[in-house]
Amino acid sequence: DTGVSQDPRHKITKRGQNVTFRCDPISEHNRLYWYRQTLGQGPEFLTYFQNEAQLEKSRLLSDRFSAERPKGSFSTLEIQRTEQGDSAMYLCASSYTTGLGYTFGSGTRLTVV
Amino acid sequence: DAKTTQPPSMDCAEGRAANLPCNHSTISGNEYVYWYRQIHSQGPQYIIHGLKNNETNEMASLIITEDRKSSTLILPHATLRDTAVYYCIVRVPNNAGNMLTFGGGTRLMVKP
Repeated sequence: DTGVSQDPRHKITKRGQNVTFRCDPISEHNRLYWYRQTLGQGPEFLTYFQNEAQLEKSRLLSDRFSAERPKGSFSTLEIQRTEQGDSAMYLCASSYTTGLGYTFGSGTRLTVV
Repeated sequence: DAKTTQPPSMDCAEGRAANLPCNHSTISGNEYVYWYRQIHSQGPQYIIHGLKNNETNEMASLIITEDRKSSTLILPHATLRDTAVYYCIVRVPNNAGNMLTFGGGTRLMVKP
């Protein structure tokens, strides 16, 4: 297992377009988390899954943000109608239910022009 | 989760020990101190955690004061590859969602 993988590493999009990012967690981890990090700030928690169930989504930044984990393996984060303020690094992490083994991916850097 | 305070930046000479402080004066009895670091263009990486005893692993040592209101992360022989932002996080293990609350961290610059 090579750790948590995120794709793409970089994404440039025009304002108003929809974007989707993918995260492949460590295979034996059943929890998956999404964070956002803006320049000069620490990561900010967005949402998490326990297997395929999304157990916390109140911290998603707006209704333009949504996440799925349909089969309890990989996850996608979608941003609809992107705005310049959405430009940030989007990080994915995974862990066991207990929180052990908490591992981050290298992130997807989104630039909205 | 308790709030933490860290200096925004520090310098360290290569080969010397880097001592990174963290204040967490409102820590609760069941909260642990966690340290993560983030090297440029990578995700955060777990370093070490502890409750009240000092801890050491292959990466670093964690010294927690007796009153648990502050702690110090020690990198015994800093290398250029240790240049990163270091985050101190105080939390209850397996808190709701296992979410991590990051502050601004300390930007450590290791210089030749």
